[in-house]
Amino acid sequence: DTAVSQTPKYLVTQMGNDKSIKCEQNLGHDTMYWYKQDSKKFLKIMFSYNNKELIINETVPNRFSPKSPDKAHLNLHINSLELGDSAVYFCASSQAAGGDTIYFGEGSWLTVV
Amino acid sequence: AQRVTQPEKLLSVFKGAPVELKCNYSYSGSPELFWYVQYSRQRLQLLLRHISRESIKGFTADLNKGETSFHLKKPFAQEEDSAMYYCALRKTSGSRLTFGEGTQLTVNP
Repeated sequence: DTAVSQTPKYLVTQMGNDKSIKCEQNLGHDTMYWYKQDSKKFLKIMFSYNNKELIINETVPNRFSPKSPDKAHLNLHINSLELGDSAVYFCASSQAAGGDTIYFGEGSWLTVV
Repeated sequence: AQRVTQPEKLLSVFKGAPVELKCNYSYSGSPELFWYVQYSRQRLQLLLRHISRESIKGFTADLNKGETSFHLKKPFAQEEDSAMYYCALRKTSGSRLTFGEGTQLTVNP
């Protein structure tokens, strides 16, 4: 009964490749997020969608493109991967954009070699 | 713009000792403050939010608007409290969480 699930959990890939991380929430929430945790454990928001609409788009390279086919899913596609993209990516969701507790997925460990 | 500062990157205490994880924020309005915890290689979990004024796992945190602080405290630390702790701020009507840099707490036996 996982609330926010991400796949894959671990991903090792070469520079220049394109990869996707999928996220699904079964909480019936309207808002979903992607956060990045870098090697220093610093957490920063990347994107947020509310009912499939982009509402937060932080300063993130264009190589990162979120896609929300429906409000229960928010996938992250990364083109032309670079070494600096190595990080843990957390998906999260909340009831509403200005709403309640934000629930996080288990994270996807991306390593670019 | 809002900002959250956790001055201690690492904090080490012995089991049974009191622990305080510091958090200071800067924001001109009335924020919502949270503490999230991340146990080793696990997801972030909400520990506390200031509006709930509750105690979870023995932890408490009081919002001090005068000092713009939201320090996390526990009178008697346990080994299972060892984890990464993040203080986070959200505008009252906003959605994004702004996180501090995190404090790695280690409770030694």
